[in-house]
Amino acid sequence: AQTVTQSQPEMSVQEAETVTLSCTYDTSESDYYLFWYKQPPSRQMILVIRQEAYKQQNATENRFSVNFQKAAKSFSLKISDSQLGDAAMYFCAYRSGQGTNAGKSTFGDGTTLTVKP
Amino acid sequence: DGGITQSPKYLFRKEGQNVTLSCEQNLNHDAMYWYRQDPGQGLRLIYYSQIVNDFQKGDIAEGYSVSREKKESFPLTVTSAQKNPTAFYLCASSMLAGVYEQYFGPGTRLTVT
Repeated sequence: AQTVTQSQPEMSVQEAETVTLSCTYDTSESDYYLFWYKQPPSRQMILVIRQEAYKQQNATENRFSVNFQKAAKSFSLKISDSQLGDAAMYFCAYRSGQGTNAGKSTFGDGTTLTVKP
Repeated sequence: DGGITQSPKYLFRKEGQNVTLSCEQNLNHDAMYWYRQDPGQGLRLIYYSQIVNDFQKGDIAEGYSVSREKKESFPLTVTSAQKNPTAFYLCASSMLAGVYEQYFGPGTRLTVT
């Protein structure tokens, strides 16, 4: 079974600074996808960034980027120039891409990010 | 306007009663999912469906049941066998293949007393 671990229950960052959220996963599958989602106080889940496992290049989406280390099974999220609106709970998610498990998703326990003005 | 809807937003039930949570999507997505979220915690997969008339158990399926008779709909029944049903329930949908994200509904907060 796949597992996703977020080792930082809470993080804080000063506005305009950079913060990195950690995520590690465990799988024996070769075909999978990784995602970071954001859940603000409204509880609506919002996609932040996505990464295909077969792509070596790290995904970037404006101020958000990932450091994908496939051999180490690590998928950290870097938020640059942090803004007050970035305050939320962030979830790392794994989705299987192969066989009978295709589409099955596993989420980490989340990291609550506080942004200080 | 494409999206995924869940109803109702808040639901109250007495212990021992079954209750069904609604989830509908008009995104033409193949896959649909049900998650449970407890306070301050992550999402745990209850059931997921890759195609109409088929579904698979997730990590915490005991005490829950689902059906997928239509592509657009994936209702979840919380049965009286579920020991701790009070939680926030999220429904999601996605394309099955490729690096497509899940689209989430607004959630249903179920309280059982």
